[in-house]
Amino acid sequence: DTGVSQDPRHKITKRGQNVTFRCDPISEHNRLYWYRQTLGQGPEFLTYFQNEAQLEKSRLLSDRFSAERPKGSFSTLEIQRTEQGDSAMYLCASSKRTSGGYLQETQYFGPGTRLLVL
Amino acid sequence: GEDVEQSLFLSVREGDSSVINCTYTDSSSTYLYWYKQEPGAGLQLLTYIFSNMDMKQDQRLTVLLNKKDKHLSLRIADTQTGDSAIYFCAESNQAGTALIFGKGTTLSVSS
Repeated sequence: DTGVSQDPRHKITKRGQNVTFRCDPISEHNRLYWYRQTLGQGPEFLTYFQNEAQLEKSRLLSDRFSAERPKGSFSTLEIQRTEQGDSAMYLCASSKRTSGGYLQETQYFGPGTRLLVL
Repeated sequence: GEDVEQSLFLSVREGDSSVINCTYTDSSSTYLYWYKQEPGAGLQLLTYIFSNMDMKQDQRLTVLLNKKDKHLSLRIADTQTGDSAIYFCAESNQAGTALIFGKGTTLSVSS
């Protein structure tokens, strides 16, 4: 079973440009999550999908951010009009919703995309 | 709201045991997690514990949970230089969807 993959691993862009990141979850994982991690901090939740439906968005996800998961498989995260404050590691995770007693949904993380906005 | 706190640094000598501590706020969290992050990499799941357990052991790792005090610890026995990394404690949010992470504990292992 291959892990979560993300592309690109690194991205350098100029302020004001748009960027798009891709995440491929573990196959058969129906939930997909995006997190942002800045230097010296733990990851912060941005949004998550169950299949193709975006079910929750954090207040961190400004109008310049949009995420999609059109066929319930891979997901894209787009940042429009990037700002220097968007510089961070963007992490994707996936999980499989299980049932029977208590729900246990371990999130497995990808390697991240490191964004630097100049 | 939910919050997770960890001490920021721990330094140990190779072969010693390491104990990383964490406190959390949401008593409804069903599972609590420990993740490891090496420089420039994503997060690797180390272990998790169900909230009705007091202890879980997995090879060199021992997790202790004090639900009354909302305190979680990770003990690494026979710490190796390869264990040097940042360790994150995480709890689920109230909806059981997002994970709430602490700021991470940087473990430095000297030989």
